[in-house]
Amino acid sequence: DGGITQSPKYLFRKEGQNVTLSCEQNLNHDAMYWYRQDPGQGLRLIYYSQIVNDFQKGDIAEGYSVSREKKESFPLTVTSAQKNPTAFYLCASRDRVSQPQHFGDGTRLSIL
Amino acid sequence: GQQLNQSPQSMFIQEGEDVSMNCTSSSIFNTWLWYKQDPGEGPVLLIALYKAGELTSNGRLTAQFGITRKDSFLNISASIPSDVGIYFCAGQGGRDDKIIFGKGTRLHILP
Repeated sequence: DGGITQSPKYLFRKEGQNVTLSCEQNLNHDAMYWYRQDPGQGLRLIYYSQIVNDFQKGDIAEGYSVSREKKESFPLTVTSAQKNPTAFYLCASRDRVSQPQHFGDGTRLSIL
Repeated sequence: GQQLNQSPQSMFIQEGEDVSMNCTSSSIFNTWLWYKQDPGEGPVLLIALYKAGELTSNGRLTAQFGITRKDSFLNISASIPSDVGIYFCAGQGGRDDKIIFGKGTRLHILP
């Protein structure tokens, strides 16, 4: 089935540790996005990539990093510099400009 | 920056009632989108609107792209228990066709 796969579903981070969230899509979409969702906050854009080997910061990029080495993959690293990482992280992709984004099922990150 | 005002923030209704929610913005959008999110899942696209004045249905759901391009509404008719969840509106437009999300409307159905 075509879709967007996020893994793991649940992730725990220790203080001072970097963790990486995976996002893979087999929809052949050019653009990919990472959002953070906190209760009552809606979706906030962390990073996005419109093409392989290129990405831009979103509204809340501090403490996060990404790479886009392959069209189908857009991993997000939550670094130790992100002091409040507990949230629900959503990955999305879309075919091209003007098309809707489609979302994965999310990764819930918690602090130990 | 661009913002969407989505209302109401939450709704408590009886099963079988109709539901209406809306989004407004000070900015013009080229596309309006409506998503539904179940607990612990990612948002799922319900309806996409591409033209001002467009009225589109998807089963019991109906959405409209406002004529000013600054607003949109979503109606759900004859609500059922599986309609429970969070509904997000999103406007898309401008440089890079950036997408802006509302903060969501949480729908509760009373037993």
